[in-house]
Amino acid sequence: GEDVEQSLFLSVREGDSSVINCTYTDSSSTYLYWYKQEPGAGLQLLTYIFSNMDMKQDQRLTVLLNKKDKHLSLRIADTQTGDSAIYFCAEYAGTASKLTFGTGTRLQVTL
Amino acid sequence: DVKVTQSSRYLVKRTGEKVFLECVQDMDHENMFWYRQDPGLGLRLIYFSYDVKMKEKGDIPEGYSVSREKKERFSLILESASTNQTSMYLCASSLGGGRRGLATEAFFGQGTRLTVV
Repeated sequence: GEDVEQSLFLSVREGDSSVINCTYTDSSSTYLYWYKQEPGAGLQLLTYIFSNMDMKQDQRLTVLLNKKDKHLSLRIADTQTGDSAIYFCAEYAGTASKLTFGTGTRLQVTL
Repeated sequence: DVKVTQSSRYLVKRTGEKVFLECVQDMDHENMFWYRQDPGLGLRLIYFSYDVKMKEKGDIPEGYSVSREKKERFSLILESASTNQTSMYLCASSLGGGRRGLATEAFFGQGTRLTVV
């Protein structure tokens, strides 16, 4: 079945890079997403990547996809206090038409 | 901007009560969803609807039902609330396409934190 796993917590200093990791099990994944949830708010789509890509860059965000290892990462350059949030990865499996969210990683940015 | 509005931020209900959670979206989206969010479990899909009066079970539908009488409104109903339904409930909407609409960007409401005592 589908399973998407993330570590629960990451702490970084302001100005450093953050790397949030995600592993998934469904090899039929078509799209992979990163959503951000700020305190007291719903989720907001940050970025996504098609499964036939291995990298996508969007300003301070870099998404890397290793399809062989079923590993997805989100790198945030020059992390700011406003980046403190919970980050969810999600995969959409085309064959099952199913979207599965990971457990979420809480990013804490310290001064 | 897409807006998804959930009627309550916080609710406290008693065991056995019938509970209605309401969600309204203003972007004419076909798809609407109800998720629950629990620490360490991520988001789990309860139900979704891809058209008025259409609904489909998600991963954890037991103890819940839904209603979609109008395109913009999707209600989650707990027929008889239990303490294990204490959770954060998130509503979302997206452009259509049936189940393939799950692949399009979802817009979320701010969540309803429900406590069942």
